[in-house]
Amino acid sequence: GAVVSQHPSWVICKSGTSVKIECRSLDFQATTMFWYRQFPKQSLMLMATSNEGSKATYEQGVEKDKFLINHASLTLSTLTVTSAHPEDSSFYICSATTGAMDTEAFFGQGTRLTVV
Amino acid sequence: GIQVEQSPPDLILQEGANSTLRCNFSDSVNNLQWFHQNPWGQLINLFYIPSGTKQNGRLSATTVATERYSLLYISSSQTTDSGVYFCAVPNQAGTALIFGKGTTLSVSS
Repeated sequence: GAVVSQHPSWVICKSGTSVKIECRSLDFQATTMFWYRQFPKQSLMLMATSNEGSKATYEQGVEKDKFLINHASLTLSTLTVTSAHPEDSSFYICSATTGAMDTEAFFGQGTRLTVV
Repeated sequence: GIQVEQSPPDLILQEGANSTLRCNFSDSVNNLQWFHQNPWGQLINLFYIPSGTKQNGRLSATTVATERYSLLYISSSQTTDSGVYFCAVPNQAGTALIFGKGTTLSVSS
């Protein structure tokens, strides 16, 4: 299957600082990438859809000014958590597809963010 | 939007036992995926199965799209099978995945 690489795997940051998470498709061109959030012992919830070269589409209730998404190339999308607070601590995971409908999705390894 | 329900929520097995996990979805879909989330959080693709039956080693999956459910079979379970199993289907746009709440499997030796 296709390979999606996410970095970093884990990060600890202080309240008020910003953290950038990268998601790369290593062996295919991902016109569409997705960012999910997972709280402990819960399911994955879609945060936003990122299309290469255009603005991301955020799900209801997700603050776009807090979670900045950039998808500047066909192989890289970034999620920046701005002015992080302890309640932003969570597991963030990206997925990538070729953009066609109903195609198989592949996921990165995830990033565990802890805000202290 | 589409709803995805998984059962059972938790499953405890002895090594060597077989199990069946179920995924029901509320609307017709064009694909369905099963994942295993390991203890480190990584999602491992198990099956991409819009319909029919597929097998991969000790695991197999069947999707009956007309009846809106899918089953994941694990035979001769091993301790390494422990973790959370998710099924997911596309949203109405056919792009992002909507996940069920998962089945947490614990296999003891």
